[in-house]
Amino acid sequence: GQQLNQSPQSMFIQEGEDVSMNCTSSSIFNTWLWYKQDPGEGPVLLIALYKAGELTSNGRLTAQFGITRKDSFLNISASIPSDVGIYFCAGQRPINFGNEKLTFGTGTRLTIIP
Amino acid sequence: GAVVSQHPSRVICKSGTSVKIECRSLDFQATTMFWYRQFPKQSLMLMATSNEGSKATYEQGVEKDKFLINHASLTLSTLTVTSAHPEDSSFYICSAKARRQGETQYFGPGTRLLVL
Repeated sequence: GQQLNQSPQSMFIQEGEDVSMNCTSSSIFNTWLWYKQDPGEGPVLLIALYKAGELTSNGRLTAQFGITRKDSFLNISASIPSDVGIYFCAGQRPINFGNEKLTFGTGTRLTIIP
Repeated sequence: GAVVSQHPSRVICKSGTSVKIECRSLDFQATTMFWYRQFPKQSLMLMATSNEGSKATYEQGVEKDKFLINHASLTLSTLTVTSAHPEDSSFYICSAKARRQGETQYFGPGTRLLVL
């Protein structure tokens, strides 16, 4: 199945640093979502973006829906230890009323170096 | 927020046996549930979309006779891996969505399957 290209694949940063990751697609999506997944858990929704150009914040997280509707980025400011995990973008488009499919990105693994 | 549970959280079975995984929406009615599979260090891949009271829609390459999905009520969907083999070992995650279009998908905690 299709996957979205996400970069970087992994990041090693120090606590307090800012983080930036992005997601690109060859096709258009109606909605972009960003999830975080901890080991052995299901993904948890961080931010949802519904309109091209939209910039949305959730605490230290900021995400933008690209103007072309084919990309999105996520920024995390002043990283803390609990930010460690895998971040996935997901694009959503309707297949029919009420059945929006999600296509996930390849993931960005964030590690904080002591 | 909406809560989705999965049972069991992990299961080990012998090759050739069948395994059933349950996905429940605990505090909302889920007209649509989705089943994903995630191999180690990989992303989530959609296996099938399940609507209450109708047959599931499978993604290309997913065998519907091997991965049986039943969505018999608005709060429960089950995935049965029939005649499991070691290559079916994976992390299976469900998500559930309420009726309104655009409603967020809420993910379960996942079920880790190991086939010996």
